[in-house]
Amino acid sequence: DIQMTQSPSTLSASVGDRVTITCRASQRISSWLAWYQQKPGKVPKVLMYKASTLQSGVPSRFSGSGSGTEFTLTISSLQPDDFATYYCQQYDSYPSTFGQGTKLEIK
Amino acid sequence: EVQLVESGGVVVQPGGSLRLSCAASGFTFDDYSMHWVRQAPGKGLEWVSVITWDGDSTYYADSVKGRFTISRDNSKNSLYLQMNSLRIEDSALYYCVKNGPYTNPGWFDPWGQGTLVTVSS
Repeated sequence: DIQMTQSPSTLSASVGDRVTITCRASQRISSWLAWYQQKPGKVPKVLMYKASTLQSGVPSRFSGSGSGTEFTLTISSLQPDDFATYYCQQYDSYPSTFGQGTKLEIK
Repeated sequence: EVQLVESGGVVVQPGGSLRLSCAASGFTFDDYSMHWVRQAPGKGLEWVSVITWDGDSTYYADSVKGRFTISRDNSKNSLYLQMNSLRIEDSALYYCVKNGPYTNPGWFDPWGQGTLVTVSS
């Protein structure tokens, strides 16, 4: 199975900051990676797929990059609505696997 | 608008069985693979199972293989998860999720609201 490892597990930042979350795969997954945002008590929402394709309706301050085994999600200027937990997911092969999550907190 | 509505979550004893259902609407159900993903309280996301559009292929997480069975009825736009030999660690919110377009495996969009399964004596 492909293991997905996110870092950091927790990130404290302020409104307006630029933040980056990293996701590493235990083997090459080409660009078959998605990013999700989950707020407390809410359903996960896809932000990005194929590593860098922004889902319709997602603000352009979100961007994704990477291929192979290392990927990043960047938020260019944090907004109050962005404080949430973020997950990466590989869909190169089954079983599909998620990273453990990165909780983005207000500093 | 795509809608996925799960049902069937209850409190069940260890070793018991349960069948979850998901009613889909707003899209051509038999064009898409469908998944179950779960989330234990306060924990991360865990993919559980997938079934292809025609029901011919299914895959499972190792943690549920041999105990859970995914199925679908395209005539009823419905997805199911039969859960047997339930364990305390199966307690979670179970989400019904549609596979994204163009790829299989794929990303997950959208997600249902989830149905809560609690395994407890």
